[in-house]
Amino acid sequence: KAGVTQTPRYLIKTRGQQVTLSCSPISGHRSVSWYQQTPGQGLQFLFEYFSETQRNKGNFPGRFSGRQFSNSRSEMNVSTLELGDSALYLCASSASLNSPLHFGNGTRLTVT
Amino acid sequence: EDQVTQSPEALRLQEGESSSLNCSYTVSGLRGLFWYRQDPGKGPEFLFTLYSAGEEKEKERLKATLTKKESFLHITAPKPEDSATYLCAVPAGANNLFFGTGTRLTVIP
Repeated sequence: KAGVTQTPRYLIKTRGQQVTLSCSPISGHRSVSWYQQTPGQGLQFLFEYFSETQRNKGNFPGRFSGRQFSNSRSEMNVSTLELGDSALYLCASSASLNSPLHFGNGTRLTVT
Repeated sequence: EDQVTQSPEALRLQEGESSSLNCSYTVSGLRGLFWYRQDPGKGPEFLFTLYSAGEEKEKERLKATLTKKESFLHITAPKPEDSATYLCAVPAGANNLFFGTGTRLTVIP
């Protein structure tokens, strides 16, 4: 079974731009979660989608948004990028509520 | 407020030198405790889920245990390939995991 796939692997953007990251979950997984990982804050929850509905949202500003498509694929968008948004963005999929999350290898975003 | 604290932050072991990593948690109503392993440049890899005090799970050289206030990840006779950051996490909502900051393990040949 293919794992969680995230594209692109690396991104370099300039302050003020926006960015869209993509995630394809494990086949059959309908829940997709997004996390931000930084050296200072560790892994922090952004949001979770199930059947195209956002069920849960972390404590991030409205510049961070996401969506899920009918095939369970998900995208997250960050608008008006700030230097502090530089991080590894991880997507995870899950078969059901509170079953183990399976992570992709992330998108490394650098904002200059 | 949910809290997860991992110790030590970093641990260096000689190959074959067994040790334990600690994860202390404060949550209202534990709905599971998860252990993950993360290699540099990769996403976390799921290792174990523990649900109740006294539960133990093993995988190769790793054994995870759970009490009412903490979990331990015991590493027996580690090898260099066990070098990684080990993360523990507790559920804080629908597939929303609250992670500790991890223990960075280095096993020296």
